[in-house]
This record gives sequence, structure tokens and C-alpha cells, in this order.
Amino acid sequence: HLQESGPTLVKSSETLSLTCTVSGGSISGSNLYWGWIRQSPGKGLQWIGDIQASGTTYYNPYLMSRVMISVDTSKNLFFLKMVSVTAADTAIYFCANMSQIALAADWGRGILVTVSS
Amino acid sequence: IVLTQSPGTLSLSPGERATLSCRATQTIKDNFLAWYQQKPGQSPRLLIYGVFRRATGIPDRFSGSGSGTDYTLIISRMEPEDFALYFCQHYGRSRGAFGPGTAVDMK
Repeated sequence: HLQESGPTLVKSSETLSLTCTVSGGSISGSNLYWGWIRQSPGKGLQWIGDIQASGTTYYNPYLMSRVMISVDTSKNLFFLKMVSVTAADTAIYFCANMSQIALAADWGRGILVTVSS
Repeated sequence: IVLTQSPGTLSLSPGERATLSCRATQTIKDNFLAWYQQKPGQSPRLLIYGVFRRATGIPDRFSGSGSGTDYTLIISRMEPEDFALYFCQHYGRSRGAFGPGTAVDMK
């Protein structure tokens, strides 16, 4: 089970920060990946990036200059930070368990984040 | 790689066969092509990965095929719960491009 949390309203040019809580299994219990995907009316579904329990990350080349994904295996959490957000970053953000890079096998329910000016 | 899907909308009746297409601008290597289903207000659900492999719990009326740049999702007989939005995706190292989706609605 995965659950996203964090601020749902972020001001333009500031940093979006989200947490994904993983329950029902250890985040470091396998060689799986843990990742973030977003969905907006204008851009559809967009893979943001993945992280392994080891901390190795993989990012969408179009977003990697603004994105950082991190993990806290002791708390079974992983995180998304996106800097310098604009209205174009308004979307539903999903965290997911990836069976391969960017292949989302299990999804959280998603959290709508709105970027306001 | 950019993915396009056709048709944009498919109107069918229960019991009919659905054929959804996904085309890539370049050859997809290693069979890294997946399909997802999304219903209103829900997260997407993985249906097919590796072009033709069904994800856990997916009924066998869903099948995937294709190679190179052209891929197909077939739903052999539409059930009421199958009316939804379907996305294809190219996944793998530093990839993750999704198609725009095909909406399958009830005629």
C-alpha cells in the first residue's frame, strides 16, 4: 500500500515536497524501484523518476534539472522534491512501486498539487 | 520516443471486441511496452508489460501484441467494468513516455 502526503498548494517559484508512505512491506526488501508519476489535463501522464532502496536514482531527462527523489529506508518512506515550480507543474502526483524502471505495478491514490501565482 | 494512440475514443457495446493501437516514433527495444487502464477518480492499473505479459490478476480477455513501432491491446469481449481510459507506455532506463490514451466508452 502506498500513500502520498504533503502540501496541496504551492506558490509559483517555490519547492514542491511530497512524501510516499509504504506499508505492507519493506521498502528495502527487494530489488524493486520506487517512483513518482504525475498526471495533468494538459500533459497527460508523465514519469518523473525512480529510486532504489540503495539510493540509486533514475530521472526523466526533461525534469531532472528540477527534481530530487530520496528515500528513508528506516521509516519506509520516499520523497519527491521539485524546485522552481510553475503553473505547468499543477497535477495529480502518484507514488508507485515499480517492478522495472518507470513500470508502475502498484500505485498510490494520488495527491492533487496546485501551483498558484 | 513519442507514443501516439488510436483511436482517441472507441464506442463499443458489452460483449464486443476492442482493438486499441499504440505507435512509437522509434523502435521499442527489449519489449519495454506496457498498457494501463484508468477509471474515473482512480489511479491507473497495470494491465500488460513486456508487450504481452499480463500483470497479476488481469483476466485473459486482455491481450497485448506487437513489435517494432506498432503495438496493440485487445479486449476480446468487453465487460461493463472494462469501459475506461487506456494508456500505453514505453518504460525502462530513463524512459517512461506515456501515450495520450484511448477512451473506451459504452455505445
